[in-house]
Amino acid sequence: DGGITQSPKYLFRKEGQNVTLSCEQNLNHDAMYWYRQDPGQGLRLIYYSQIVNDFQKGDIAEGYSVSREKKESFPLTVTSAQKNPTAFYLCASSIRLQFTDTQYFGPGTRLTVL
Amino acid sequence: RKEVEQDPGPFNVPEGATVAFNCTYSNSASQSFFWYRQDCRKEPKLLMSVYSSGNEDGRFTAQLNRASQYISLLIRDSKLSDSATYLCVVRSGNTGKLIFGQGTTLQVKP
Repeated sequence: DGGITQSPKYLFRKEGQNVTLSCEQNLNHDAMYWYRQDPGQGLRLIYYSQIVNDFQKGDIAEGYSVSREKKESFPLTVTSAQKNPTAFYLCASSIRLQFTDTQYFGPGTRLTVL
Repeated sequence: RKEVEQDPGPFNVPEGATVAFNCTYSNSASQSFFWYRQDCRKEPKLLMSVYSSGNEDGRFTAQLNRASQYISLLIRDSKLSDSATYLCVVRSGNTGKLIFGQGTTLQVKP
């Protein structure tokens, strides 16, 4: 089955720790994205990548880092510098380019910082 | 002012009702428009794109009013399974990025 997978579904972290969220896609999409969603708010773009070994900051990149070593994978690290990390994190991908094609979302990871 | 604004609701309607949601956007250079559906604690899924001439998909009708900078979604003959949050999404004309509204929650009751 083609699609986007994210793991884990739920993640609990102690304050001060870094944590990495996984995102994998087998759709052969070039572009991948990370968003966060907070209650009562729209999705906000954290980072995006058009192609392997390239990525760009989104609107709220502070406290986050990413890598794109393989086309299929775009992991997101939430660092201890992120002030309010508790949120629902969504990974998305699209065929090509930045934002001109339909974005498909993974099931999300719900991160809670204790 | 938010770039994309929606009434968060919730809209509580009986089965079979017709319900309409509006969404306003602030950037007149916005290029394209979408409605996504998001079930509770799940990821958003594309419901339909919104075209200038308006478009229909079964019980769902989307319309765009560029002059007034709003888009609408009409759901006819509501089903229990329509209960979800509906996200208005606009592609920015300046950056090409997708801008998401906060969503409108619909609850269809028996």
